[in-house]
Amino acid sequence: EILVTQSPATLSVSPGETATLSCRASQSLGSNLAWYQQKPGQAPRLLMYHSSTRATGIPVRFSGSGSGTEFTLTISSLQSEDFAVYYCQVYNNWPPQFTFGPGTKVHIK
Amino acid sequence: QVQLLESGGGVVQPGGSLRLSCAASGFTFTTHSMHWVRQAPGKGLEWLAFIRSDGSDIYYGDSVKGRFTISRDNSQNTLYLQMNGLRAEDTATYYCAKDFWGLFFDYWGRGTLVTVSS
Repeated sequence: EILVTQSPATLSVSPGETATLSCRASQSLGSNLAWYQQKPGQAPRLLMYHSSTRATGIPVRFSGSGSGTEFTLTISSLQSEDFAVYYCQVYNNWPPQFTFGPGTKVHIK
Repeated sequence: QVQLLESGGGVVQPGGSLRLSCAASGFTFTTHSMHWVRQAPGKGLEWLAFIRSDGSDIYYGDSVKGRFTISRDNSQNTLYLQMNGLRAEDTATYYCAKDFWGLFFDYWGRGTLVTVSS
């Protein structure tokens, strides 16, 4: 079973600043990691996949990096619409399991 | 555009059953695998089940294995989740999600709320 942790649990950031979110897996995953954004009352939205590929329509201020067990989501020049909860998600081949991290809440400082 | 619309949620007593549906449109449903994911109130996301495009492979998360059944009707572009033996801890918003690369979820429905309570 893969364990996934995210840090920090909450992040206070001022608009225009950069937010750096971390995700760590208990086993090496290559680049099989995605990031999702969820705003209150909304479904999650895919931001990044394969660790560093932006999903369709995602602004360039979002970037992802990492491989193996350590991954990072960076949000540059935070906009008001970026304040949300961010989840990382990994996939394990066998048994086939899709696991989400506990999330990082980014709120306005 | 891709649309996923869940339905079938509601209030059910512990031990009861419920069947959720997810109507898909805007993409070729018959060639895409699908998932169910849930989120308890104020909590994180939990993957529940996966079904391949033709139904040939099905996987479940440990918390629902043996109680929930995922299925699909490709002639109706609809995904289902049959939930039996419901418990209070199954209270959550249930989302259907379109599979991406066999690894991720690229489109999500708005969810349907299931409340298990006496």
